[in-house]
Amino acid sequence: AQKVTQAQTEISVVEKEDVTLDCVYETRDTTYYLFWYKQPPSGELVFLIRRNSFDEQNEISGRYSWNFQKSTSSFNFTITASQVVDSAVYFCALSDTGNQFYFGTGTSLTVIP
Amino acid sequence: NAGVTQTPKFQVLKTGQSMTLQCAQDMNHEYMSWYRQDPGMGLRLIHYSVGAGITDQGEVPNGYNVSRSTTEDFPLRLLSAAPSQTSVYFCASSHDSGTGELFFGEGSRLTVL
Repeated sequence: AQKVTQAQTEISVVEKEDVTLDCVYETRDTTYYLFWYKQPPSGELVFLIRRNSFDEQNEISGRYSWNFQKSTSSFNFTITASQVVDSAVYFCALSDTGNQFYFGTGTSLTVIP
Repeated sequence: NAGVTQTPKFQVLKTGQSMTLQCAQDMNHEYMSWYRQDPGMGLRLIHYSVGAGITDQGEVPNGYNVSRSTTEDFPLRLLSAAPSQTSVYFCASSHDSGTGELFFGEGSRLTVL
């Protein structure tokens, strides 16, 4: 069965600190896709990144970076030099060839000024 | 750009009442889906559709019905509301079946008394 685990329920950091949000997934499919979404206090869900199972290259976008490791079934998300605007709930998600998406329970990040 | 539009944004129901959450998208996406978000549970898939006339169940389908008569619309029906259906509901669509980025509506907060 497919499953996404975000063990960190809540994280607090002081502004300008780096923070890593962990995501561990389970799937028996060889083809799958991993995602990160951000949900700020306003409640909307914002897409951050999509990665397929055949592309293990790490990705950097500004202060955001993602580390995909198939060996450990992890897709971790790092925010460098965190800012107050990064305060949000972050969801990791998995989709497989069955057209279904599986979300983790989310990590609530608070950046303290 | 309208994107994904959900109505209503807020609704209060009494146990046993029925209602329909509307979802419409103007991006010509074949894939549409409904999720519920509960505290500590992340987002859970209720139903999804890969095209007009095709629907399927997700992780938590009980108590909900859907239909997909057009590409644009994907309503979610609660036939007999229960307090356990108190939640925030999100509709989402994707241009790439079940593997692409999800575009979410703003959410509908439903309270069942």
